[in-house]
Amino acid sequence: AIRMTQSPSSLSASTGDRVTITCRASQGISSYLAWYQQKPGKAPKLLIYAASTLQSGVPSRFSGSGSGTDFTLTISCLQSEDFATYYCQQYYSYPPTFGGGTKVEIK
Amino acid sequence: QVTLRESGPALVKPTQTLTLTCTFSGFSLSTSGMCVSWIRQPPGKALEWLARIDWDDDKYYSTSLKTRLTISKDTSKNQVVLTMTNMDPVDTATYYCARTSTVSNWFDPWGQGTLVTVSS
Repeated sequence: AIRMTQSPSSLSASTGDRVTITCRASQGISSYLAWYQQKPGKAPKLLIYAASTLQSGVPSRFSGSGSGTDFTLTISCLQSEDFATYYCQQYYSYPPTFGGGTKVEIK
Repeated sequence: QVTLRESGPALVKPTQTLTLTCTFSGFSLSTSGMCVSWIRQPPGKALEWLARIDWDDDKYYSTSLKTRLTISKDTSKNQVVLTMTNMDPVDTATYYCARTSTVSNWFDPWGQGTLVTVSS
């Protein structure tokens, strides 16, 4: 199975900050990568698919980039509702696998 | 609007079999390309994909759990059922179902999840 490694595992940031989360695949996955946001006690919510395509309804301050093995999720101007845990997921090959998550906390 | 909802026991004993039902609306599993997956998340831990069933009844399972999992569907009831045998305390987790498709293998949307605790 393809291993997905996220960094950092957690970060502290302030409202208005620019935040970048990294996801690395153990082998090339082209652009077959999705990003999810999960708030405590809630199900994950799809933010981005195909590495950089914003899901309908997701604010434009979220963006994704990368291909091959290295990917990033950027939140350009952190809002209070963005404090959550973020997961990447590869769907290049079965089984689909998730990163370990990045918790974005209030500084 | 697509919605999914998981149901099943909140507590199971070790060695018992868990049966979870995902009831969905807003799409049909008889539509070409449609799929439903199960994913779980132990408390405070990351997400783990378990199984998928496709519109044409193709099935896929986690390699590590394959011998314990069975996924099935009832298209007329808009339901997908997951059974997991020989439950262990390490299987304590929130279990989610989510829609996916054969051409877009991301998960959207997800059900609210159901917490299953394995304890004697």
